[in-house]
Amino acid sequence: DAGVIQSPRHEVTEMGQEVTLRCKPISGHDYLFWYRQTMMRGLELLIYFNNNVPIDDSGMPEDRFSAKMPNASFSTLKIQPSEPRDSAVYFCASSEGLQSSYEQYFGPGTRLTVT
Amino acid sequence: AQSVTQLDSQVPVFEEAPVELRCNYSSSVSVYLFWYVQYPNQGLQLLLKYLSGSTLVKGINGFEAEFNKSQTSFHLRKPSVHISDTAEYFCAVSRSGGSYIPTFGRGTSLIVHP
Repeated sequence: DAGVIQSPRHEVTEMGQEVTLRCKPISGHDYLFWYRQTMMRGLELLIYFNNNVPIDDSGMPEDRFSAKMPNASFSTLKIQPSEPRDSAVYFCASSEGLQSSYEQYFGPGTRLTVT
Repeated sequence: AQSVTQLDSQVPVFEEAPVELRCNYSSSVSVYLFWYVQYPNQGLQLLLKYLSGSTLVKGINGFEAEFNKSQTSFHLRKPSVHISDTAEYFCAVSRSGGSYIPTFGRGTSLIVHP
């Protein structure tokens, strides 16, 4: 398997623009997670899905952020409108289950810069 | 709820020297413990995990960690580091026996000098 795939790897955009980040999880994994990593706050869980259904979005910072998973092999994280404080590395991860013993498999991340 | 503290934000070390990265956790229930590594411009990948049994856990790339319940610690060690070990290391804890999302520490940057 190719692992978790994220695109784009880098995104530079201007404040106010819409940004869409994409993720393809590992085939057969039932859980998908979106994380944000910054120097100030470390690794934060934004939202996670089970079988394409959002389970917990309490980590989504505000209404400007939205996430979808239309099918088992694709998820998007959208920011509209974007702000400079959204600049971070966004990771997608997947796991085969939510048993706490299971590891998460992370994608390479998308480095977002909002100017 | 559980929490994780990585006591050092940065650990510089010379090549072939031993290293220890410290991790302490707080939880009122039994836990599972993980160490992940993040190489530059990559995602996190699992180094090792403790679920039960022997308190000394061996992982990939020569790393090992020891679970100490009385001290609520899970320190990561390697007897001789290489330049290629330069990376960010994350300790994570998850409540055992159920469906729980792990809590990650803030990370420790290991910098190996030649």
